[in-house]
Amino acid sequence: GEDVEQSLFLSVREGDSSVINCTYTDSSSTYLYWYKQEPGAGLQLLTYIFSNMDMKQDQRLTVLLNKKDKHLSLRIADTQTGDSAIYFCAPGGSQGNLIFGKGTKLSVKP
Amino acid sequence: EAQVTQNPRYLITVTGKKLTVTCSQNMNHEYMSWYRQDPGLGLRQIYYSMNVEVTDKGDVPEGYKVSRKEKRNFPLILESPSPNQTSLYFCASSLLAGGSNEQFFGPGTRLTVL
Repeated sequence: GEDVEQSLFLSVREGDSSVINCTYTDSSSTYLYWYKQEPGAGLQLLTYIFSNMDMKQDQRLTVLLNKKDKHLSLRIADTQTGDSAIYFCAPGGSQGNLIFGKGTKLSVKP
Repeated sequence: EAQVTQNPRYLITVTGKKLTVTCSQNMNHEYMSWYRQDPGLGLRQIYYSMNVEVTDKGDVPEGYKVSRKEKRNFPLILESPSPNQTSLYFCASSLLAGGSNEQFFGPGTRLTVL
């Protein structure tokens, strides 16, 4: 089945850029998602990218997709303390479901 | 307010005592799903439902049952809970499966099985 890998932790200073990387195995994913989970809360959709795109920008967020290498990244510019959360990479599965990575815990230091 | 609700939010129970976690959405979504979240393992899908009366197993269905008798509700049933089902459970729904359909998540149910 689909395998999704992310590093578990990332620590940055406030104002720096954060880059969270993800690799996946299922090349048939049409949409690839990033979800954010704040402490004690459920997951919220942050952004997504369609598989025929290689970049999508949405305010402070930039998603890069390298379909050949099956690599997805999320860049957060000017990271703030409110960005501290767990970020999940989730390629769409072949049956319309989502396959989640283990999540990357982003810590932002003032 | 458009939302997914789960009840209870917290539950402590004992091995073998049947329990049901309810999930309800008010967005007329066709697709609903249950996940469990465990430290170091991320989210794993338990069961999902494409529409009323249509359910299917996810990655970790053992020990769980679901039903989808009506569009808005998708309860998760543990007939005989065991300690390895101690976890944080999330229900989610989306308009349709896949595509660019955003999945909306409930607030989570923290279950402890003693």
